[in-house]
Amino acid sequence: DGGITQSPKYLFRKEGQNVTLSCEQNLNHDAMYWYRQDPGQGLRLIYYSQIVNDFQKGDIAEGYSVSREKKESFPLTVTSAQKNPTAFYLCASSGGLHQPQHFGDGTRLSIL
Amino acid sequence: EDKVVQSPLSLVVHEGDTVTLNCSYEVTNFRSLLWYKQEKKAPTFLFMLTSSGIEKKSGRLSSILDKKELFSILNITATQTGDSAVYLCAVQRQGGSEKLVFGKGTKLTVNP
Repeated sequence: DGGITQSPKYLFRKEGQNVTLSCEQNLNHDAMYWYRQDPGQGLRLIYYSQIVNDFQKGDIAEGYSVSREKKESFPLTVTSAQKNPTAFYLCASSGGLHQPQHFGDGTRLSIL
Repeated sequence: EDKVVQSPLSLVVHEGDTVTLNCSYEVTNFRSLLWYKQEKKAPTFLFMLTSSGIEKKSGRLSSILDKKELFSILNITATQTGDSAVYLCAVQRQGGSEKLVFGKGTKLTVNP
């Protein structure tokens, strides 16, 4: 089945640790996105990529990093510089300007 | 600064009621407005609206856009308990990127 797969579903981070969230899609979409969702805050854009080997910062990129080495994959690293990483992280992809974004099931990150 | 405001933030109704959810926006270079339904995990796509005054329908759900007054409504008739979810409104800007700006969502609870 075509879709977006995020892993893991739950992740715990220790102080000072970097963690990487996986996002894979088999929809052949060029554009991919990472959002953060906090209670009562809606979705906020962290990073996005419109093509392989290129990506741009979103509204809240500080403390995060990404790579886009393959069309299918857009991993997000939450670095130790992100002081408040506890949130629900959603990955999305889109097939073009006139196509809606479709979302994965998310990763819930918590601090130990 | 781009802004998307949804109202009400939460709503409790009984099965069979009709509900109207509101979304107003202030966005530079508007391209489209999207509605999503989020239950526990991934937001699922409902509608994409680009033209004023043209209603989109899917079963008991319908939506319309007013580009002059800068708002959209999502109607749900004959509500069911399965309609309980957070409904998200997002606006896409023109200009070569497919970035979305999200509202905070409306939490709908449908009681039997």
